[in-house]
Amino acid sequence: DADVTQTPRNRITKTGKRIMLECSQTKGHDRMYWYRQDPGLGLRLIYYSFDVKDINKGEISDGYSVSRQAQAKFSLSLESAIPNQTALYFCATRGTGQLNEQFFGPGTRLTVL
Amino acid sequence: AQSVAQPEDQVNVAEGNPLTVKCTYSVSGNPYLFWYVQYPNRGLQFLLKYITGDNLVKGSYGFEAEFNKSQTSFHLKKPSALVSDSALYFCAVGTGGFKTIFGAGTRLFVKA
Repeated sequence: DADVTQTPRNRITKTGKRIMLECSQTKGHDRMYWYRQDPGLGLRLIYYSFDVKDINKGEISDGYSVSRQAQAKFSLSLESAIPNQTALYFCATRGTGQLNEQFFGPGTRLTVL
Repeated sequence: AQSVAQPEDQVNVAEGNPLTVKCTYSVSGNPYLFWYVQYPNRGLQFLLKYITGDNLVKGSYGFEAEFNKSQTSFHLKKPSALVSDSALYFCAVGTGGFKTIFGAGTRLFVKA
């Protein structure tokens, strides 16, 4: 089984709708991240969490919110989706220590019409 | 500010030839550098990292990277490319905190 899973894998929604993307991990890592990937822009950080009680905004948090329900679960919500939020979204985890690599989920492809 | 640049959007190489994917960085303090690979419809996978020590770092799938402090570069290399190496490659820099800054990515095409 995959260490980091994301649901759904694909989602098409309409402008103004609220949607939630979910991420679960079995690696036992405290640190979890949400990124969005756009062609030519690489990965940009939306939110990150060091533990259940610690949530931090990334560089592009406007229009998004997150919830860390447990060490293993980190959800990303779009309160009112807009077309420029169409992108590929990745969840990632990281072990303790700033020198460790990240482990990524398979991604959620979101299309906002 | 910390940043990382991948100057090539795409690199084309023939199978069996050596490949290089370029990366330059800008950080204050000691750099922590990473390479990740993304295959179609998959998340990013870690290839290798430089923290300290030898300037030549060996990683997964026969890849290696050369750290050059004077040129602030961390180029990814492989002596003999395979068609299966075709993917999107990301260079990244650790910021000294708990965030990672990713480059825009370089698409590698290996032709048979």
